[in-house]
Amino acid sequence: GQQLNQSPQSMFIQEGEDVSMNCTSSSIFNTWLWYKQDPGEGPVLLIALYKAGELTSNGRLTAQFGITRKDSFLNISASIPSDVGIYFCAGQLLQGAQKLVFGQGTRLTINP
Amino acid sequence: EADIYQTPRYLVIGTGKKITLECSQTMGHDKMYWYQQDPGMELHLIHYSYGVNSTEKGDLSSESTVSRIRTEHFPLTLESARPSHTSQYLCASRNRAKSEAFFGQGTRLTVV
Repeated sequence: GQQLNQSPQSMFIQEGEDVSMNCTSSSIFNTWLWYKQDPGEGPVLLIALYKAGELTSNGRLTAQFGITRKDSFLNISASIPSDVGIYFCAGQLLQGAQKLVFGQGTRLTINP
Repeated sequence: EADIYQTPRYLVIGTGKKITLECSQTMGHDKMYWYQQDPGMELHLIHYSYGVNSTEKGDLSSESTVSRIRTEHFPLTLESARPSHTSQYLCASRNRAKSEAFFGQGTRLTVV
């Protein structure tokens, strides 16, 4: 069953605004990944996090691996039109099979 | 840049036909995955493989089957397509050491 809760499900913002989304779980993860998916395409990896507390940036994107290992957030600063898409978090559980668990996705819409 | 390829990108096929969706990666990754995704919705794991001759069913029950005869190739087969199989199918791979998964562009399947 679903083990990751991603929020918000959708966001409608103005160009130039900052964006924040997060994923939480009752389970412990040893890896957090953030992906962006454009319509009709496969998800593209944005940021990978491997250590609790780790804060990593990729251009205007910043993501953090929560200290408890049960959550992660992604921030986008100064949004631009090409940021539109669906963002997914994914986590590798500390225990169990070597499968990635995906969040439900956050759909980002930007008004110019 | 990820070297994982899916063919075909789009497929429209009649009910009852047998189809095979191809997925190949040139990164030498041991682990490969198939996900099913309805437009804009979350990803559901339907099959995975940890290496040659290893295949497992995922979290979402699927009537499809997979094989892993070569490391680089992980095809998915539907013996008798039905309209309920209409969806996007995404293939992904990871190497043993890292948790980062790389996705293909997907195959959009429509069964009429």
